[in-house]
Parts: sequence; C-alpha cells; structure tokens
Amino acid sequence: SQTIHQWPATLVQPVGSPLSLECTVEGTSNPNLYWYRQAAGRGLQLLFYSVGIGQISSEVPQNLSASRPQDRQFILSSKKLLLSDSGFYLCAWVPGGEAFFGQGTRLTVV
Amino acid sequence: TQLLEQSPQFLSIQEGENLTVYCNSSSVFSSLQWYRQEPGEGPVLLVTVVTGGEVKKLKRLTFQFGDARKDSSLHITAAQTGDTGLYLCAGRRGIGGTSYGKLTFGQGTILTVHP
Repeated sequence: SQTIHQWPATLVQPVGSPLSLECTVEGTSNPNLYWYRQAAGRGLQLLFYSVGIGQISSEVPQNLSASRPQDRQFILSSKKLLLSDSGFYLCAWVPGGEAFFGQGTRLTVV
Repeated sequence: TQLLEQSPQFLSIQEGENLTVYCNSSSVFSSLQWYRQEPGEGPVLLVTVVTGGEVKKLKRLTFQFGDARKDSSLHITAAQTGDTGLYLCAGRRGIGGTSYGKLTFGQGTILTVHP
C-alpha cells in the first residue's frame, strides 16, 4: 500500500535561519506531489506542485522554494525564514482526484 | 480571490441538530472532494463526487454535487460530538490550461458540536 511521510512534525526556527522540510512517498512511482500551507486551521494554500523529478511549479511568489531530487521525494526549503512563514505545512500525494496528506509540520518562526 | 468559497466559516450547534455546509465557485470542476481535519493532523478524504447532480451518502453525511459542477454541499443529520472538526472542500480543475490536475481547497468550515 502507498504511504506518505513528512517530517519533522514540529519545528521552531529563528528568523533568518534556513528551512528544509522533507516529504517521501512509498509504494508508488512518479507521484504528483504538493506542498500546502495552512494558517490557523483554515483552508489550504497551494505553494508548489511537482509532476516529476526536477519539475516544480510555484503557485505564489514567496520566501520558499521546492525541489524534487528523486521520484518519491519532495523538499520544501527556505534560505532565510521570515516570521510570516510560520504555519502548518502539509505535503500531499494526489494519485487521481483525491489527495492523501502527510501528518504535517507545525513551523513556528521566532 | 478565493476560487472555492465555503460557508459558513464557523458553525456551533448542539448534538442532534442538522447542518449544511456549502462550497461554491464560479469555475467548473471535474471532481470535488470533501475532507475532514483534526487539529495537528492532515485532512482525511470523506468523499469524491464527479458527476453533476450526484448525491452520495456516508452514514449521517450526505454530499451533493451541483448540476453544473460548480458547487457542492455537505449535510450532516443528527450531529454528534465526534463530528467536530474542520471540513474542507477541494476541487480539481478540468482538462486544459495550466490549472489541469491541481487540487484547490476552500477556506474551511470549523464545526463544533456541543453535548
């Protein structure tokens, strides 16, 4: 069966520090992968999506970037975090029309 | 501009009451999903509707997709405290253009069911 892993679960980082969140999928190949950000338990804002290795589409201009170094690995990064980057980050695998989510990363920038 | 508008944003009811959550858009979707999310966890899929006018039932939950595939509703009968959570609708755009395949979420409805 397919599973999606996301880590870390929680992260507290100072302003100006770098960020790297990792998401991996098991049990499938060439998955469509997404990074979403959720503020205060509200709707999900699509940040990036990827349909294959090295293929990244950005939805909104921001302080973040994404990379797809391997088929089943999707990474969300920042060189210098801002206070406004705080939030709940979710990785999702979308095999068809439905999305399967990781457990999420609660990022607090202090 | 929010592509999918959910209403109401907050809903606080007593156990046993009925409720309806709406998800509206000016865009056509090839499919629409409803998710439920607990605090600190990722959303979990409840249902997918794909055909205009489609109605799906999941125990006390009834989901409907509009005839034009632009809107949807979630109706809960005799709500229970275990129904408390964040409910999200999400639409997948149709074929064509750069939006194909992307899943867009509404802003969510926070439901609280009191005993």
